Amino acid sequence: KQEVTQIPAALSVPEGENLVLNCSFTDSAIYNLQWFRQDPGKGLTSLLLIQSSQREQTSGRLNASLDKSSGRSTLYIAASQPGDSATYLCAVNTDKLIFGTGTRLQVFP
Amino acid sequence: EAGVAQSPRYKIIEKRQSVAFWCNPISGHATLYWYQQILGQGPKLLIQFQNNGVVDDSQLPKDRFSAERLKGVDSTLKIQPAKLEDSAVYLCASSLRRTGSPDTQYFGPGTRLTVL
Repeated sequence: KQEVTQIPAALSVPEGENLVLNCSFTDSAIYNLQWFRQDPGKGLTSLLLIQSSQREQTSGRLNASLDKSSGRSTLYIAASQPGDSATYLCAVNTDKLIFGTGTRLQVFP
Repeated sequence: EAGVAQSPRYKIIEKRQSVAFWCNPISGHATLYWYQQILGQGPKLLIQFQNNGVVDDSQLPKDRFSAERLKGVDSTLKIQPAKLEDSAVYLCASSLRRTGSPDTQYFGPGTRLTVL
């Protein structure tokens, strides 16, 4: 059974710091892995999608890497801003999305 | 392009009552998903439709939950009767998925259900 774990559960940092959020999964048989952002009272916004054959994806200040063999993905946020404050969820796609429990990020000025 | 629409946004009911949620996916999206997100957890898939057929409902508590997608567009999710543990955010998502390959899912804002 596929299980997805995210560490840390919560993170509070000052503005400007570079951040690394971690995601691990137990079964490497995945189609792809996605990182989502969830703001309070709102749905999920897809940030990055990495296909199983890819090693990383970049979008602006965000970079996500995927190591299928070790069952790990990291989301790197450069020069964090207060607007980055949200919950970040990773999900592996095994013909359906299986989510981790998320990392709640707070960036303070 | 309009996103996934859901209503109502909030609902408070007492246990043993019934409730229904509505979802309108992005136009042209063949696949529709309902997720349950309990506070502090990630979303869990309840049911997946491909057009108006059910692809996966293995985690849907069928004794109290039901869902339909008439004409392969809008969908409703119903809980009857509700229990305290059904308190959660119910998210609807849609994707193009016209082939067998998984693709990006787009999520609606969710319906927050509180069962008292």
